[in-house]
Amino acid sequence: GQSLEQPSEVTAVEGAIVQINCTYQTSGFYGLSWYQQHDGGAPTFLSYNALDGLEETGRFSSFLSRSDSYGYLLLQELQMKDSASYFCAAAPYYNQGGKLIFGQGTELSVKP
Amino acid sequence: ETGVTQTPRHLVMGMTNKKSLKCEQHLGHNAMYWYKQSAKKPLELMFVYNFKEQTENNSVPSRFSPECPNSSHLFLHLHTLQPEDSALYLCASSLPGKGGDSGNTIYFGEGSWLTVV
Repeated sequence: GQSLEQPSEVTAVEGAIVQINCTYQTSGFYGLSWYQQHDGGAPTFLSYNALDGLEETGRFSSFLSRSDSYGYLLLQELQMKDSASYFCAAAPYYNQGGKLIFGQGTELSVKP
Repeated sequence: ETGVTQTPRHLVMGMTNKKSLKCEQHLGHNAMYWYKQSAKKPLELMFVYNFKEQTENNSVPSRFSPECPNSSHLFLHLHTLQPEDSALYLCASSLPGKGGDSGNTIYFGEGSWLTVV
């Protein structure tokens, strides 16, 4: 089957750095996305990696290694507002837009 | 505000009721999706529409019936649901897939919380 594995929860303190890992097993693969979802809110797009390496967007960075079927989301200078669930999602089909396979989500708790 | 609006935000229905969820997107996208989100489980893709045509039905029971009258609107008609269907139903939209970044960024609505009693 197709699946993405990520830790169910992570706890960190304000100002720290946290890394959320994601390993995937899909029949095809064209990229890895990350989404953030606050309680009661819509999942919102954070980043996308189609190629190996690091993509940086402000305090958030995302990394992909296609040979290892692995990626991670790195959050720096953590703030209380970063407390949310984070989902990795794989695009297993070419030219299939938003047909994504999601991980079960990692709940990040940021403590003072 | 994500540009994708879902109504109602909360719905409680009996197993014999018929109700509908509505989704509207103001982003000029031509692909729309229904996802189901249950507690502690990955988001599950239910249906995909591209240019109003259904291109994916991910083995969804027939008690869920989607409708896409135009590229901006998507409905999910619900009939004789089961308690295990209680979940958050998320609508999303995107540009049609062309490979690369634009096709893989999807914009979600805030969802409709459904409780079946």
